[in-house]
Amino acid sequence: EPEVTQTPSHQVTQMGQEVILRCVPISNHLYFYWYRQILGQKVEFLVSFYNNEISEKSEIFDDQFSVERPDGSNFTLKIRSTKLEDSAMYFCASTGTLMTGELFFGEGSRLTVL
Amino acid sequence: AQRVTQPEKLLSVFKGAPVELKCNYSYSGSPELFWYVQYSRQRLQLLLRHISRESIKGFTADLNKGETSFHLKKPFAQEEDSAMYYCALRGATNKLIFGTGTLLAVQP
Repeated sequence: EPEVTQTPSHQVTQMGQEVILRCVPISNHLYFYWYRQILGQKVEFLVSFYNNEISEKSEIFDDQFSVERPDGSNFTLKIRSTKLEDSAMYFCASTGTLMTGELFFGEGSRLTVL
Repeated sequence: AQRVTQPEKLLSVFKGAPVELKCNYSYSGSPELFWYVQYSRQRLQLLLRHISRESIKGFTADLNKGETSFHLKKPFAQEEDSAMYYCALRGATNKLIFGTGTLLAVQP
């Protein structure tokens, strides 16, 4: 069964460094999302992406964040200059249709900023 | 404002006991509600959605617009039901808004 895959599973970085989290959505899906979950808190929406552009972004998704679909298969989240409070689990999700509301999630990438 | 509230962080029950995981929402329009589940060391996945009105793994959830609730119920809990359960709301912009989640622990 096709799955959303995310790399790396865990990344440790120094504050101020750039981080790129990678996702390979399910191949025929068209809508892509990034969510994050700070330890002990809820899963929060960051950004949605469709047709090579951002559909919606939350207030968390400031100028330090960017997303890209560079090659038609990968979907990346870049954090330009990480802060301590960016430490979280980042989930990628995709769906082929908005009709059902079902999102298919990856296993997440844990980011630790020191 | 769109908000989902799950008041219980942890719900511990014995095998065979009934389960009710509470979810309340705040949304001015006509919401779509979902329950997602995350089993240990697995990814977040859809359990059920209110619009399909189905029972999955013995779980049901009824949307109560008067009480703005979408509680998840199962008459007889099984050990394999132990997991993190997230209630989610989809509004007009198609993004999912999640609650904080409830950890269901089913004791043998």
